[in-house]
Amino acid sequence: IAGITQAPTSQILAAGRRMTLRCTQDMRHNAMYWYRQDLGLGLRLIHYSNTAGTTGKGEVPDGYSVSRANTDDFPLTLASAVPSQTSVYFCASSATGEADTQYFGPGTRLTVL
Amino acid sequence: GEDVEQSLFLSVREGDSSVINCTYTDSSSTYLYWYKQEPGAGLQLLTYIFSNMDMKQDQRLTVLLNKKDKHLSLRIADTQTGDSAIYFCAESIGGSYIPTFGRGTSLIVHP
Repeated sequence: IAGITQAPTSQILAAGRRMTLRCTQDMRHNAMYWYRQDLGLGLRLIHYSNTAGTTGKGEVPDGYSVSRANTDDFPLTLASAVPSQTSVYFCASSATGEADTQYFGPGTRLTVL
Repeated sequence: GEDVEQSLFLSVREGDSSVINCTYTDSSSTYLYWYKQEPGAGLQLLTYIFSNMDMKQDQRLTVLLNKKDKHLSLRIADTQTGDSAIYFCAESIGGSYIPTFGRGTSLIVHP
């Protein structure tokens, strides 16, 4: 059982480039989330999806977009990366009815130069 | 102010008990959680407590909840070097609401 996988593990990206971070879960969880983690700021929610076909904005959505075409996948796209998007990105999923417990992926370390 | 607050650092000696504290503001919180993040990894759920409970114990971990003061604590007995990590407190009001996380407490265990 893989749980949640994220790809790539790390990436260095030139400013202005487009980038998609991938997230896949095999637990059939209905809800999925994207967070960024920055030193001193903790976890900040970027976007979320309560079920396939729906998405919502979190605390820091600007510059990011998501899609949820199916239950398993929840990609995060940076249309035109900027240095302030340098961060560690975590994908998470949860199943309604399990006390909203979230399961996290291993993270993607993104550096925008 | 923030919805969930934690101190940023805690240093303890190996073998001692660690107590990590958290305060939250939403009185309608249904679930309160403790997550652990080891270096270079994602967050991993340690334990959670329902808001109608005062205490939950799981091996070396004890969670205490004071609803009146909106205070949550995590006690780790016989702290080991492997317990060194960042510990996040989180709260949720349930019903598909997204948990709110604190900024995390870095626990440093020294010999």
